[in-house]
Amino acid sequence: DADVTQTPRNRITKTGKRIMLECSQTKGHDRMYWYRQDPGLGLRLIYYSFDVKDINKGEISDGYSVSRQAQAKFSLSLESAIPNQTALYFCATSDSQETQYFGPGTRLLVL
Amino acid sequence: AQKVTQAQTEISVVEKEDVTLDCVYETRDTTYYLFWYKQPPSGELVFLIRRNSFDEQNEISGRYSWNFQKSTSSFNFTITASQVVDSAVYFCALVDSSYKLIFGSGTRLLVRP
Repeated sequence: DADVTQTPRNRITKTGKRIMLECSQTKGHDRMYWYRQDPGLGLRLIYYSFDVKDINKGEISDGYSVSRQAQAKFSLSLESAIPNQTALYFCATSDSQETQYFGPGTRLLVL
Repeated sequence: AQKVTQAQTEISVVEKEDVTLDCVYETRDTTYYLFWYKQPPSGELVFLIRRNSFDEQNEISGRYSWNFQKSTSSFNFTITASQVVDSAVYFCALVDSSYKLIFGSGTRLLVRP
């Protein structure tokens, strides 16, 4: 089984809808992250969490919120989806050695 | 501020050629980590290597090798005898005291048969 899982893997939604992307990990890491990837822009950090009680904004947090339900779970919500949030979303976890391990990604299309 | 630059947007080679992917970074910290990730057409991000700032020893893993030079702030990646399966986007990345992973924009490598 994969160490970092994301659900759903693909999602199509309409403008204005609220959606949630979920991430779970079995690596036992305290640190978890959400990124989005757009063509030609690499990956950009949305939110990150260093433990269950710690949530921090990344460089592009507007329009997103997160919830760290447990050490192993970190969810990303789009409260009111808009077309420019169409992207590939990655969850990642890291240990104290700073290496980040990524989930398989969620392809989101907002119509 | 931290920054990672991958100036090569796309590289195309013929199978069995050697290819080097360039990465230049900026950070004010003396302690930091550098990484390379591979993103094949299937989309997942695969961790390839981590280097800390105190370890300038070059590393070889099979057909892959990495050349870390602090004097030029570079961490270049060479694939020897490239294969079609090496076709992917490769990202260089940096973590410093901010604990944030800063990615370069990626280099798309196409290996033609």
